[in-house]
Amino acid sequence: GESVGLHLPTLSVQEGDNSIINCAYSNSASDYFIWYKQESGKGPQFIIDIRSNMDKRQGQRVTVLLNKTVKHLSLQIAATQPGDSAVYFCAENEYGNKLVFGAGTILRVKS
Amino acid sequence: GAVVSQHPSRVICKSGTSVKIECRSLDFQATTMFWYRQFPKKSLMLMATSNEGSKATYEQGVEKDKFLINHASLTLSTLTVTSAHPEDSSFYICSAPLAPDTQYFGPGTRLTVL
Repeated sequence: GESVGLHLPTLSVQEGDNSIINCAYSNSASDYFIWYKQESGKGPQFIIDIRSNMDKRQGQRVTVLLNKTVKHLSLQIAATQPGDSAVYFCAENEYGNKLVFGAGTILRVKS
Repeated sequence: GAVVSQHPSRVICKSGTSVKIECRSLDFQATTMFWYRQFPKKSLMLMATSNEGSKATYEQGVEKDKFLINHASLTLSTLTVTSAHPEDSSFYICSAPLAPDTQYFGPGTRLTVL
């Protein structure tokens, strides 16, 4: 049946502000990490990735930070827009393209 | 660009029937595809790895006789939910890697079992 547990945490930000979404991963041997955006009723959409030999990577309006010491990832979204409202998941590639997803965070952008 | 499609996007069925969901890689071949299950407001949970030309690899706790996977060709994997029950209602998503460390996800299939 449906899993029982905590609902996804929600981050509410004002349009134009920066957003920071955090994620803890579990496997210290994982060498590749990805952030996905998922809109309601759709599949995950790739945002940005980072390899374990890096601690920061920037894209368009997004930055991913990796702290291997504490097994922590963060996604920073600059100048958050209403279209950024979605659920955000981090994922770690354990081996052979097998992804393990984090719990997810709901981002709500207030206009 | 590379795309993964799923069919159907939504399906409603009666309890006890079987439902087949298709996952296709468009414009690229995938010897491996992945099937995920997602409950409302929850994360994606990997169910199984579909392997072209060999048996699927199931994650712990996933019943292989319940969720039949067939990787019929290099562009098609199917997931059949057999003897579906209301607790099987969920959002099923597939993915296919275009290259190492590059996965594309399908749009998902919403299954509702009455």
